[in-house]
Amino acid sequence: DIQMTQSPSTLSASVGDRVTITCRASQDISTWLAWYQQKPGKAPKLLIYKASSLESGVPSRFSGSGSGTEFTLTISSLQPDDPATYYCQYINRYSRAFGQGTKVESK
Amino acid sequence: QVQLQQWGAGLLRPSETLSLTCDFYGESFNVYFWSWIRQAPGKGLEWIGDISHRGTTNYNPSLNSRVTISVDASKNQFSLNMTSLTAADTATYFCARVPHGYNNWYFDLWGRGTLVAVSS
Repeated sequence: DIQMTQSPSTLSASVGDRVTITCRASQDISTWLAWYQQKPGKAPKLLIYKASSLESGVPSRFSGSGSGTEFTLTISSLQPDDPATYYCQYINRYSRAFGQGTKVESK
Repeated sequence: QVQLQQWGAGLLRPSETLSLTCDFYGESFNVYFWSWIRQAPGKGLEWIGDISHRGTTNYNPSLNSRVTISVDASKNQFSLNMTSLTAADTATYFCARVPHGYNNWYFDLWGRGTLVAVSS
């Protein structure tokens, strides 16, 4: 089974900071990766699919990159609405493995 | 407004069966797959399985033996049954939509979630 590992588990950043979250796959998954944002008590929200495609309606400060085993979600300038937990997910019909999450806090 | 509305019992006893249903309000129910995902308190996300309008299913192998997902396309509705519950099944259960297209096995629309607690 493919395992997804995110780092860091938690990060603190100030408004305006550039934020980078990493997701590593235990095997080559090409660009089959999605990213979600989840706020407390809410359902996750799709941000990025196929590693770098921005979901409709998602602000352009969010971007995704990477291929193979290493992927990155970047927030170019952290906004007050962005503190949340972020998850990566392997895109595959038979294994929808999620990373353990990265909590982004406001400094 | 396109949305998923889910409903079902929230408090169950060990060994009982969980039953949740999700209604899709929108168009083109038949072009998507429909999923269930859960999240234990304070933990990450776990995919349970999904189904097409024709009843084609995909299940997480770790839960496969206890899970049945069914669909009623005439009502734009799909359901989750999970048997032999234990406290470890306590979680918020989300229904979600898998978008149409090649290898689009991610989730672009989510229900609000139903907290299911398993306790004696």
